[in-house]
Amino acid sequence: GENVEQHPSTLSVQEGDSAVIKCTYSDSASNYFPWYKQELGKGPQLIIDIRSNVGEKKDQRIAVTLNKTAKHFSLHITETQPEDSAVYFCAAPGGGKLQFGAGTQVVVTP
Amino acid sequence: DAGVIQSPRHEVTEMGQEVTLRCKPISGHDYLFWYRQTMMRGLELLIYFNNNVPIDDSGMPEDRFSAKMPNASFSTLKIQPSEPRDSAVYFCASTPGLARYNEQFFGPGTRLTVL
Repeated sequence: GENVEQHPSTLSVQEGDSAVIKCTYSDSASNYFPWYKQELGKGPQLIIDIRSNVGEKKDQRIAVTLNKTAKHFSLHITETQPEDSAVYFCAAPGGGKLQFGAGTQVVVTP
Repeated sequence: DAGVIQSPRHEVTEMGQEVTLRCKPISGHDYLFWYRQTMMRGLELLIYFNNNVPIDDSGMPEDRFSAKMPNASFSTLKIQPSEPRDSAVYFCASTPGLARYNEQFFGPGTRLTVL
């Protein structure tokens, strides 16, 4: 089946520093790449998404970049804050459904 | 809107018992998804519906699992009989519009523990 690989599995950053999470996908026809944030005890929540007709999208401190040739996309969080601590999931279409990465546990230390 | 509603939030049962999880999607959303989340396997899609019709149930682990959507505002996921390996958090999500690949709105989840 289709696969979405996500790295790293855990990421510890100092408050104010940047965090970068990377994902690769296998289906070259994929055209939609969302990122979800899951806080403890809650369901995942969409924070940003990008479609294949653009290479980058920003929303305040969050940005996503897409390299269709290399089939990878990344989430960038700048000026990290304690409330950014959560598990982040990337996703991409594959096999007729949205495939989620394994998740990245981000810990922002004061 | 209250968002996606799931019940119960927590369920503890004994092996062999029947378990029914419930979901109310956001009004007007055409797609409904059931996911299972575990540490070992991450977030897995079990089944999804479009306009109350099951479209893809290839993620349903085995015949012990069944899902229904009798109307646009209600869906159930049933496990009968339950086993300890079914312990997980089960999420329901819904999405609006015609495109399957739109923002999915997740419920708070049901944490199932099978003893």
